[in-house]
Order: sequence, then C-alpha cells, then structure tokens
Amino acid sequence: DQQVKQNSPSLSVQEGRISILNCDYTNSMFDYFLWYKKYPAEGPTFLISISSIKDKNEDGRFTVFLNKSAKHLSLHIVPSQPGDSAVYFCAAREVVSSGTYKYIFGTGTRLKVLA
Amino acid sequence: KAGVTQTPRYLIKTRGQQVTLSCSPISGHRSVSWYQQTPGQGLQFLFEYFSETQRNKGNFPGRFSGRQFSNSRSEMNVSTLELGDSALYLCASTYGSGANVLTFGAGSRLTVL
Repeated sequence: DQQVKQNSPSLSVQEGRISILNCDYTNSMFDYFLWYKKYPAEGPTFLISISSIKDKNEDGRFTVFLNKSAKHLSLHIVPSQPGDSAVYFCAAREVVSSGTYKYIFGTGTRLKVLA
Repeated sequence: KAGVTQTPRYLIKTRGQQVTLSCSPISGHRSVSWYQQTPGQGLQFLFEYFSETQRNKGNFPGRFSGRQFSNSRSEMNVSTLELGDSALYLCASTYGSGANVLTFGAGSRLTVL
C-alpha cells in the first residue's frame, strides 16, 4: 500500500515556465515532507522540505505547498531551467517511536524542461 | 567533507548467489538507511541502523540483511539472489534520529542474471 503517491510519472515543461509536481499521501501522522532531485547515475539530493505545521516554504526558484486537509503537497519551480530536468521524489517522515523516524518515498516524477 | 560513499558502484551476479554492498556515511553521521530503487516502485525502505543497532526495518524478506560497525560504516547483504533483486541500492546517512534530511550516496547498481 503506497502511502506516498506521485501519480504523474513524467512531466514536460517549456524553459522559463512553471513546473508543478504533485504528491499525495494517506498517513495524517507524517510530520515532515521533503523533495529530492535525482540525476542519472547519482544519488538523490535534497531540494526543499516543509514541516507539517507550515503550509508553504520557499527557497529561491523552489516553493513547496502543503495542504493538510487534502493530504497533498506540490513543488513549484519558477522559472524552469533545462538543468532542472531530473527525477523528483516526494518523501514523508513517519514517527516510528520516540526519536525514531522512517522516510517513505513516492515513485518519482521525471521532469523534462525543454529549451 | 566527503559525502556518502557506496561500493561497488556496479556489479553483476547470477541467481542463487549472494552479494554484500558497503556504505561509508558522512563523517560524524551515526544513522545509515538503505533503500532499493526499481522502475515504477520508487525508493523502498530496507532498514536503518543507528549506533550499530537496527532501529527500523521495511517489508523485505529475510534474505535482505544488514549491519553497522562501530565506525558507522554499514553493509547490506542479499542472499540467494533472485532476478527481481536487480535494482539500484541506495544508502543514506544522517547525523542522528532527529535529523530531517537524508544524504544519499550514488548507489550500487546490482544486476542479477
């Protein structure tokens, strides 16, 4: 049972336009959400995160929005650049026990930014 | 500061064999997690070690095992390999239990023939 879902396997966007990547989750106990970017032959690299008590976090061209009532988060990239072409993973942190956490990842969305 | 180092980067095994993968975390990081990445399945959590103790375990069969050494380096072992074990195995480290961000290595690409 996939607790974190990225329903769009791929997305193509024109350079300079906005890229919106979506993620849905089912567990209301997740306390932290993260986005990772992955290039081929490299490990995922951390991009941006948001606490469950916030609804927006911004870092340069990247903004993450969290809608807790809908159990939905999205990553906005504005403006999109060809170097943003990668696979993006959404992840959620689950509290397993006091001081112990587990990270659940989505299946990823492949973003292609067209020059 | 060196990143997370995984060895080997690529390996080919045949069904029935066993394999050991190694992960050296960032210096000072005490938590090491392992993930399996396959097409369409994303990153599936295998297990996490902290101070040489397994704290969390994902839903994988007992053929998948791991351990952590006193210097925080970790190994994972897969015995009796199956074709479906072909995947990218990723290791990630964090400083401690409260850390929010996992730092990943480049992964070990396992192909089972």
